[in-house]
Amino acid sequence: QITLKESGPTLVKPTQTLTLTCTFSGFSLSTSGVGVGWIRQPPGKALEWLALIYWNDDKRYSPSLKSRLTITKDTSKNQVVLTMTNMDPVDTATYYCAHRARGSYNYWGQGTLVTVSS
Amino acid sequence: SYELTQPPSVSVSPGQTARITCSGDALPKKYAYWYQQKSGQAPVLVIYEDSKRPSGIPERFSGSSSGTMATLTISGAQVEDEADYYCYSTDSSGNHSVFGTGTKVTVL
Repeated sequence: QITLKESGPTLVKPTQTLTLTCTFSGFSLSTSGVGVGWIRQPPGKALEWLALIYWNDDKRYSPSLKSRLTITKDTSKNQVVLTMTNMDPVDTATYYCAHRARGSYNYWGQGTLVTVSS
Repeated sequence: SYELTQPPSVSVSPGQTARITCSGDALPKKYAYWYQQKSGQAPVLVIYEDSKRPSGIPERFSGSSSGTMATLTISGAQVEDEADYYCYSTDSSGNHSVFGTGTKVTVL
């Protein structure tokens, strides 16, 4: 059974750096073809893809946010970490991590709401 | 940056057919995927690789793709199908993923 869970601060101040951790079970991020991605959703708005890391440490970022994002993995801990710098109130959203295989995100975490406010 | 465009809303009566479109320039070369998101929940994959249905997804959900448009069809829509639906794909390079603008489906 594949499960993922996001963790991190629920409130950050403008200009601060957000660090989110995705802890997963039921699969290995050293298995060929497997990836873990991050997707966010502002309240009442659409899903937005942020970043993806593959089993071989290949990384992909949203072109519009690339300068602010870093994604890393710790295979031994079954964790993927996303950092986003220079947070702004428009970055207020529910942040999801998800398991990716064969081109699609098949399993998702429950999401974590991050509010950016002073 | 690459975009996938969907109609904001679709309304159908129970038992009727709902069709949701997704338009994108790279769709002739890239697969479309469809997600259902009910209020307060994480998205659920309902169609992958244009037209394949994951196990556990009702047969009334089907997908197709032609040219620059992919379509999700709900045949005989049920009240429980009320949700937001998002298409998903990648740009022509395959390096960057994108979700569609989302469609709210109302069944009443």
